[in-house]
Amino acid sequence: ETGVTQSPTHLIKTRGQQVTLRCSSQSGHNTVSWYQQALGQGPQFIFQYYREEENGRGNFPPRFSGLQFPNYSSELNVNALELDDSALYLCASSWEGRANEKLFFGSGTQLSVL
Amino acid sequence: QKEVEQNSGPLSVPEGAIASLNCTYSDRVSQSFFWYRQYSGKSPELIMSIYSNGDKEDGRFTAQLNKASQYVSLLIRDSQPSDSATYLCAVNDNYGQNFVFGPGTRLSVLP
Repeated sequence: ETGVTQSPTHLIKTRGQQVTLRCSSQSGHNTVSWYQQALGQGPQFIFQYYREEENGRGNFPPRFSGLQFPNYSSELNVNALELDDSALYLCASSWEGRANEKLFFGSGTQLSVL
Repeated sequence: QKEVEQNSGPLSVPEGAIASLNCTYSDRVSQSFFWYRQYSGKSPELIMSIYSNGDKEDGRFTAQLNKASQYVSLLIRDSQPSDSATYLCAVNDNYGQNFVFGPGTRLSVLP
């Protein structure tokens, strides 16, 4: 157990809908990163939040957005869902978001878009 | 476009053998290298990190890094059936935590 919790664990949506995924970081961690993992692929970086500010973004469209709250928990919002958004969404926290720090992953949210 | 490549496998080895997992990366400025293990339906967990050329050993695991060849590997000695999982190679530069993951190699250790 890493201490990083995600909710919900599973979610089914239809194309065009909007979804919000939630993550609570491990105690003492102020950095949260979100990754998308399609079936049979490695995780792909969506974005990172450090002390409530976006601190890096991967190659994802603007309909993927996020927030980090003062307690360092975080949300990932996806608008106008597409079938290809079906994937495991992983949240990871770390101490200060430095490049050589390990990531502590949550158990993920499995999103299915029909 | 930064890329990390791994043989997708499956790599099958008998119990007690050495499993060798390989990873190459495209970005020469990469400085931090990680191996994660992911069991089916679970999230990735860190096994090893390596930052300097050479070997780094931790129990049955040895990570090897060759920055000139842009190559990193993971050796698992005395493989056990519980080592059966997908192994993800992750690479990072010095500018935050935009880790680039490879597609993973599926390892199967046969009893």
